[in-house]
Amino acid sequence: EDKVVQSPLSLVVHEGDTVTLNCSYEVTNFRSLLWYKQEKKAPTFLFMLTSSGIEKKSGRLSSILDKKELSSILNITATQTGDSAIYLCAVEQGGKLIFGQGTELSVKP
Amino acid sequence: NAGVTQTPKFQVLKTGQSMTLQCAQDMNHNSMYWYRQDPGMGLRLIYYSASEGTTDKGEVPNGYNVSRLNKREFSLRLESAAPSQTSVYFCASSSGPIPNIQYFGAGTRLSVL
Repeated sequence: EDKVVQSPLSLVVHEGDTVTLNCSYEVTNFRSLLWYKQEKKAPTFLFMLTSSGIEKKSGRLSSILDKKELSSILNITATQTGDSAIYLCAVEQGGKLIFGQGTELSVKP
Repeated sequence: NAGVTQTPKFQVLKTGQSMTLQCAQDMNHNSMYWYRQDPGMGLRLIYYSASEGTTDKGEVPNGYNVSRLNKREFSLRLESAAPSQTSVYFCASSSGPIPNIQYFGAGTRLSVL
């Protein structure tokens, strides 16, 4: 059965800390892995990682895909209160996305 | 730039009532999706439509039906609501399936009493 597992499920840090969120997957015919940020409402797209693009960076956020370990990490450096959100990992399989449970990040001032 | 629009934003139903959740996208996307989100369970796919005129079941289709009305619109119907269908429902669309970057609506919070 295809599945995506994220860890930790929740995390509390202070502003300025660096955090690492984990995503592991067991999916047949892997094509891509996506990260989303969900604040109060709709998930918003952050990154897509594929076999030809295993590392992405945008400002303080970066993500790496490890195809050998079937996993990905999302790093956030110098965290801010605005980074507080649920971070969702999803893997594309057969034209659909399979989502993990999400990691709830809380950044305290 | 509306993107994906869902209506209504909130709804309270009694057990056994029916309702339709509406979704429309203005990005000329081919594929559309309906998810439900429950605490600690991420997003679970209910139904999807890879292209206009086609629909397929996702992970949790029981108790739901869908209609791809045209390329822009994809509706989700609950024929006889049950308390287990209390959830937040999200519609999404993508130009996909490759790449399958999905863009989400703001969600509908549904309570079934």
